[in-house]
Amino acid sequence: SYVLTQPPSVSVAPGQTARITCGGNNIGSKSVHWYQQKPGQAPVLVVYDDSDRPSGIPERFSGSNSGNTATLTISRVEAGDEADYYCQVWDSSSDDPYVFGTGTKVTVL
Amino acid sequence: QVQLVQSGAEVKKPGASVKVSCKASGYTFTSYEINWVRQATGQGLEWMGWMNPNSGNTGYAQKFQGRVTMTRNPSISTAYMELSSLRSDDTAVYYCARVSGTASFWFDPWGQGTLVTVSS
Repeated sequence: SYVLTQPPSVSVAPGQTARITCGGNNIGSKSVHWYQQKPGQAPVLVVYDDSDRPSGIPERFSGSNSGNTATLTISRVEAGDEADYYCQVWDSSSDDPYVFGTGTKVTVL
Repeated sequence: QVQLVQSGAEVKKPGASVKVSCKASGYTFTSYEINWVRQATGQGLEWMGWMNPNSGNTGYAQKFQGRVTMTRNPSISTAYMELSSLRSDDTAVYYCARVSGTASFWFDPWGQGTLVTVSS
C-alpha cells in the first residue's frame, strides 16, 4: 500500500515560516490534502488538491507538490497554529484508497 | 452550515460490539459519501472505510474487514459504524467525515469524534 512519510516535529518562531513535508513515491502525480488537528479536537481541512484553501482558511496556509515531496507552508506563524498536521492522498490503485501521513507536530517557540 | 454530530462516548468489554452514529445536517445527506477514521491516543489517523448514503454501498479497509459494518438511515440523515469483537487496541476516538472532490477526494467536515474505550 502507498506510504506517506512526515517529519515527527517542526519548530518555528512566531512570525517565521514553517514548512511541513510529506514524502511519497511519485506523490507529485497525486493530489495532496492537508489537515490541522489541535489537541482534543477533530481534524480540520486546511489545503486540498495540493494548493487550494477552503473558505475561512487564512492565506498564510499554502501548499505545493512535486516529485516525491508535497509541502504545506505556514507563513507568518502564530501561536494558534501550534497543532498536528496530516497529509492525505486518495490512491485509486490501492485496496485501501485513503492514506494518511504519519503526522507532524508543529511547535511555536 | 454543514455539520456532522456523533453519538457520545462508549465503554465496552473485550469481545463486545459498539455502534457509533453520525447525524448530518446542512446538506443533502445522500449526495456525499461518509467515511470513518479512527485515532488511538497519541497516534495518527487511520482510515476504516466508506459508505455511499444513497446506495448503501460500502468499502472497508483490509484491516477491519469482517469486523466493521457501515450502514445508514437516510430518513434521519444518519450514518452508523459498528465494530465487533472489540479488543483493547480498538480503544480510540472514532470520527465520521464527509467526502468531497471529483478526481481526488478529501474529508470535510469531520464529526466531533466519539471515544470508545475497551476495557475489562
